[in-house]
Amino acid sequence: AQKVTQAQTEISVVEKEDVTLDCVYETRDTTYYLFWYKQPPSGELVFLIRRNSFDEQNEISGRYSWNFQKSTSSFNFTITASQVVDSAVYFCALSEKGTNAGKSTFGDGTTLTVKP
Amino acid sequence: KAGVTQTPRYLIKTRGQQVTLSCSPISGHRSVSWYQQTPGQGLQFLFEYFSETQRNKGNFPGRFSGRQFSNSRSEMNVSTLELGDSALYLCASSSTGHNSPLHFGNGTRLTVT
Repeated sequence: AQKVTQAQTEISVVEKEDVTLDCVYETRDTTYYLFWYKQPPSGELVFLIRRNSFDEQNEISGRYSWNFQKSTSSFNFTITASQVVDSAVYFCALSEKGTNAGKSTFGDGTTLTVKP
Repeated sequence: KAGVTQTPRYLIKTRGQQVTLSCSPISGHRSVSWYQQTPGQGLQFLFEYFSETQRNKGNFPGRFSGRQFSNSRSEMNVSTLELGDSALYLCASSSTGHNSPLHFGNGTRLTVT
C-alpha cells in the first residue's frame, strides 16, 4: 500500500528565512509519481511540481526547489527567502503507475506560516 | 481556460438527508476525481471517473456514489447523511495520462447538522 508522511504539522518562520518541508513516501511500485500541491487560505489546491521515479534530478523554480532521493524515499521541498504569500498548507502526494494520478495518496499536509 | 468549477460552494443539510454535488472539469480533461478533506483525516480519495466509467474507488461506504456524464461533468451523491460527513469535498480533473497532475476546484463545504 502506498503512504505519504509529512512529519511536520506546522512550521512558522519569519520572512526571508529559508524553510524545508519534508515528505517521505512508501510504495511497492517501481514506477510512481510524486507531487507537491499548495493550498492557500482561499482553499483551492494548486499543483506545484511533479516528479517521476526515474528522474532523481533536483529542480529549482525561482525560490522553490525540490530534492528527490530514492535511497531515502524522500521528496523534500525548500522555499528560499520565504515571503508572507507563501503561507499555506503544502501537501505531498504519490500516485502509482498501476493506478493513475486521479487516485493520489496525500500526506496530512504541513501548514507554513510566514510572519512579516 | 476556465478552471474546475464546483457547485454549490456551501451546503447545510440535516442528518438523514441526501445531497448532490456538481463538478465541471477543465475543458479537455476526461478524468474527474473526488476527495474528502477533513481536519482529522486529511485528504481522502473517494473515487475517480474517466469517460463515464468509475476507474478507481476509495474506502468509503456505499452511501457515497458518483457519476460522470458524456461532457465529463461529474456529480457526487451522498445519501443518508451523517454528522461525520461534514467536510470540504474537492473535485479535481486531469488529462488522460497517469502521471498528470490534478487541477482542483474550490470545493463544496458540506455541513451536516
